Amino acid sequence: SAVISQKPSRDICQRGTSLTIQCQVDSQVTMMFWYRQQPGQSLTLIATANQGSEATYESGFVIDKFPISRPNLTFSTLTVSNMSPEDSSIYLCSVRTGRETQYFGPGTRLLVL
Amino acid sequence: AQSVAQPEDQVNVAEGNPLTVKCTYSVSGNPYLFWYVQYPNRGLQFLLKYITGDNLVKGSYGFEAEFNKSQTSFHLKKPSALVSDSALYFCAVRDRGNTDKLIFGTGTRLQVFP
Repeated sequence: SAVISQKPSRDICQRGTSLTIQCQVDSQVTMMFWYRQQPGQSLTLIATANQGSEATYESGFVIDKFPISRPNLTFSTLTVSNMSPEDSSIYLCSVRTGRETQYFGPGTRLLVL
Repeated sequence: AQSVAQPEDQVNVAEGNPLTVKCTYSVSGNPYLFWYVQYPNRGLQFLLKYITGDNLVKGSYGFEAEFNKSQTSFHLKKPSALVSDSALYFCAVRDRGNTDKLIFGTGTRLQVFP
């Protein structure tokens, strides 16, 4: 398994500002992902964070709004840019290790006012 | 395209009774199937997975799930529910060999009453 930490665990932000969320894994992993869980909803994949190259975004998510970095095999950041109240969600980092199992971080709870 | 359906928003069961949380899936190839649990204000915890082999898989906390290819189902079960099992349960699928994406169902809230 993998131990995943995220910072911050929660934040309250003003609309129009940006927030960068950090994800740290205790071991090197090939695949890292970012998910969003809107209030009362399921998880939606935002993008796959690729080490050394640009992230791969899902339909409905764009790099200008959700820039992602992945400088090495244990760390990634997701920025939520120019925030609006609709961005209030839980943002989860996820990694895949070993034989297909995907693990999730504790999440970052974001409230945009 | 792959998809997952969890037909029940909520399942209520009395403590000590068996529980079932339903999941059906759709993929073009062979599936990898997973169950996760989310407790209030917590991230997702991995419960169990089906990759290949025995159709009945056992996981954490006494949970098990049965893969049924003909019915494209992967229902989560536990013989005797505990109040502490009350949480939000998510089924997820990945289309083996075709994608790296793990797709989630809408979730089922399990409420176990004392």
